[in-house]
Amino acid sequence: GDSVTQMEGPVTLSEEAFLTINCTYTATGYPSLFWYVQYPGEGLQLLLKATKADDKGSNKGFEATYRKETTSFHLEKGSVQVSDSAVYFCALRTLGSNYQLIWGAGTKLIIKP
Amino acid sequence: NAGVTQTPKFQVLKTGQSMTLQCAQDMNHEYMSWYRQDPGMGLRLIHYSVGAGITDQGEVPNGYNVSRSTTEDFPLRLLSAAPSQTSVYFCASSYRTSGSRNEQFFGPGTRLTVL
Repeated sequence: GDSVTQMEGPVTLSEEAFLTINCTYTATGYPSLFWYVQYPGEGLQLLLKATKADDKGSNKGFEATYRKETTSFHLEKGSVQVSDSAVYFCALRTLGSNYQLIWGAGTKLIIKP
Repeated sequence: NAGVTQTPKFQVLKTGQSMTLQCAQDMNHEYMSWYRQDPGMGLRLIHYSVGAGITDQGEVPNGYNVSRSTTEDFPLRLLSAAPSQTSVYFCASSYRTSGSRNEQFFGPGTRLTVL
């Protein structure tokens, strides 16, 4: 069945460092891909998405490119801030999953000043 | 738009008690779902609905009931609470489409403790 694999955390970086959080997927058909973020004590917010191959989603300085050839959707940011500390979830959605989101386990990001 | 709203924000129950977690959305979304999130874990789908009158089980449905009598509301009922149901519960909604408007919107969550 469809699945999402994320790199395990926590990931600890210093402020202004470059961030990559890896996400790979297995899916039949053509999934839409998402990154959600959960700040401490809050619900989940959509960070960015891509609906077809080679699409690049971007928001708040974060980017991810939908790579069909490598079945990946890695999250990147050039210079992280303390306020980026959160848990990041990669997810996919396909018609075959009856509109359900298939979630990765989440990656906790800790940014130190 | 209020988006997705959930009540209550916090709840403490005793083992064996029942209660209903409320979820409402004002975006005319066909698809609604309930997740639970446990410490150190991702989200697990409890139940979902693709439209009024239609519900289906997710990954962890035991001990929970749902109904969808209107497009706006999707309550989650705990029939007889157990300590294993201590968790944070999130409701989410979206359009029922594979197109560009297919992201899910989440409520703020309900933190439930069962003693």
